[in-house]
Amino acid sequence: GNSVTQMEGPVTLSEEAFLTINCTYTATGYPSLFWYVQYPGEGLQLLLKATKADDKGSNKGFEATYRKETTSFHLEKGSVQVSDSAVYFCALSERGNNNDMRFGAGTRLTVKP
Amino acid sequence: DAMVIQNPRYQVTQFGKPVTLSCSQTLNHNVMYWYQQKSSQAPKLLFHYYDKDFNNEADTPDNFQSRRPNTSFCFLDIRSPGLGDAAMYLCATSRDKGREKLFFGSGTQLSVL
Repeated sequence: GNSVTQMEGPVTLSEEAFLTINCTYTATGYPSLFWYVQYPGEGLQLLLKATKADDKGSNKGFEATYRKETTSFHLEKGSVQVSDSAVYFCALSERGNNNDMRFGAGTRLTVKP
Repeated sequence: DAMVIQNPRYQVTQFGKPVTLSCSQTLNHNVMYWYQQKSSQAPKLLFHYYDKDFNNEADTPDNFQSRRPNTSFCFLDIRSPGLGDAAMYLCATSRDKGREKLFFGSGTQLSVL
């Protein structure tokens, strides 16, 4: 079945550091890939998405590229801010798969000033 | 401007006492979902409605039920909460099935005493 594996946290960085959170997936077909962010005490928000191979999703300085050859969708940001502290979830959804959005376990990011 | 609204934000119930969590949406989306999220874990899909069609996940306990009286509202009923049901419950919507992004509410944090 479909699944998502993401880098275990927690990740602690200093402000302006470079961020990478790894995500790999297993899917039977051609899923869409997502990154969601969850700030403390809140629900999840969509951060970015990509719907086909080689697509790059980007938002708020974050980027991720859909790599079919490595089945990966790693999240990157060149210069993190304290306000980026949150939990990040990689997810996939596949047409015809009963509509199930599969989430990774989440990676907690803490950015220190 | 909240589009998916969950009430209450915090809910405390007693062991075995039925509890209902509510969710409403202003997006007119066809699909509504309930997820359970325990501390430091990925959200776990309990069930979803596609319009009036109810879809239960195979491993969702019978203790959990849902109702969708109209497009805008969806309820999660826990008939006899146990200590293990303490969690964040997230409601989400999507326009249609498969590969669609989800819009989440802020969640209801359920405590069971």
